[in-house]
Amino acid sequence: AQRVTQPEKLLSVFKGAPVELKCNYSYSGSPELFWYVQYSRQRLQLLLRHISRESIKGFTADLNKGETSFHLKKPFAQEEDSAMYYCALVNTDKLIFGTGTRLQVFP
Amino acid sequence: KAGVTQTPRYLIKTRGQQVTLSCSPISGHRSVSWYQQTPGQGLQFLFEYFSETQRNKGNFPGRFSGRQFSNSRSEMNVSTLELGDSALYLCASSLAGQGFGYTFGSGTRLTVV
Repeated sequence: AQRVTQPEKLLSVFKGAPVELKCNYSYSGSPELFWYVQYSRQRLQLLLRHISRESIKGFTADLNKGETSFHLKKPFAQEEDSAMYYCALVNTDKLIFGTGTRLQVFP
Repeated sequence: KAGVTQTPRYLIKTRGQQVTLSCSPISGHRSVSWYQQTPGQGLQFLFEYFSETQRNKGNFPGRFSGRQFSNSRSEMNVSTLELGDSALYLCASSLAGQGFGYTFGSGTRLTVV
């Protein structure tokens, strides 16, 4: 069955520290993966698509098919990065979400 | 351009009633998906419509239904409401579904009392 696992419910770091939000997936075939972010009182918004191989707000994510992972990384966390982060997998026109990781960045 | 618009923002209903939620996608987007967000279950897929046809359906009871109109606007209906239906219902639109990315609305917060 297709599944997305985000093992950490909460990740707390200090400003300037590196961040890695973990995401593992289970999917037969070539997965298409996304990271979505939800800031406080804002709508869910797309952060990254793996096929774009882009860096948004300093975040990057690399698809590792061997480890079935799509971890989100940022070398230096900022306070404004505090939010809920969801990893998601697309399967036949539906998004399968992980349970999310709340990132708290302390000053 | 305007984003995904969901109405109403908040709704309070009584058990046993029915409710209709509305979603207007981004202009030009033909795919509309619905998701239920709850603290316990997280984000769960309800269904997806493309060009007025339901292409995909999640594991929800038949009380949950939807439709899409020729202008791509979509409605979701829940009949015989239960307390457990209290949730944030999110709509997402996309140009054509998979591979094109999804843009979410702010959601409708439904409370069943």
